[in-house]
Amino acid sequence: GAGVSQSPSNKVTEKGKDVELRCDPISGHTALYWYRQRLGQGLEFLIYFQGNSAPDKSGLPSDRFSAERTGESVSTLTIQRTQQEDSAVYLCASSVTGASYEQYFGPGTRLTVT
Amino acid sequence: AQSVTQLGSHVSVSEGALVLLRCNYSSSVPPYLFWYVQYPNQGLQLLLKYTSAATLVKGINGFEAEFKKSETSFHLTKPSAHMSDAAEYFCAVSDQGNFNKFYFGSGTKLNVKP
Repeated sequence: GAGVSQSPSNKVTEKGKDVELRCDPISGHTALYWYRQRLGQGLEFLIYFQGNSAPDKSGLPSDRFSAERTGESVSTLTIQRTQQEDSAVYLCASSVTGASYEQYFGPGTRLTVT
Repeated sequence: AQSVTQLGSHVSVSEGALVLLRCNYSSSVPPYLFWYVQYPNQGLQLLLKYTSAATLVKGINGFEAEFKKSETSFHLTKPSAHMSDAAEYFCAVSDQGNFNKFYFGSGTKLNVKP
């Protein structure tokens, strides 16, 4: 069956521009996570959505970062006024519920800010 | 906050040799522990998980890991490496009762020599 998909797979943008990254979770998965992975580093938690509950935004690094999710479907991560330090791979994962522990990851979006 | 340390960003073994990938965590309260694998050009997938049951956990593809509370470790092993095991491996933890957040190590790239 279809897994988690993310688009675009690669994005190159100029410093100061806004970017929007998209995640399509597995159908029926109520929980959705965004992570950032800088070169040579581990995954850094950004935000977590669980059903219609208020999202856990505690990992967002600054107010330039925001994310939305409508119901249990697509999520978008928006980075405004991009900076070079935003360059990273952005990973999305979904799970059946927040308590199931097993997250299914998408292939990621590689963002390069020039 | 939790932290996860993976010793060795690169590990190289010969085909048929023992694989040992190290992971240590910082929590004083035993967390839930996970190993994920990322094959080239693919998303992360769960190898195995520890959630307060048996301390020796068996996963897919012949991998296993042992939770050692006294050493705050969760090392991943496989008795005999196969060429197809070449990938990047990530250790992750989440707090018991707060499975919203997962903390990932920086990853270990496993190279298997013929």
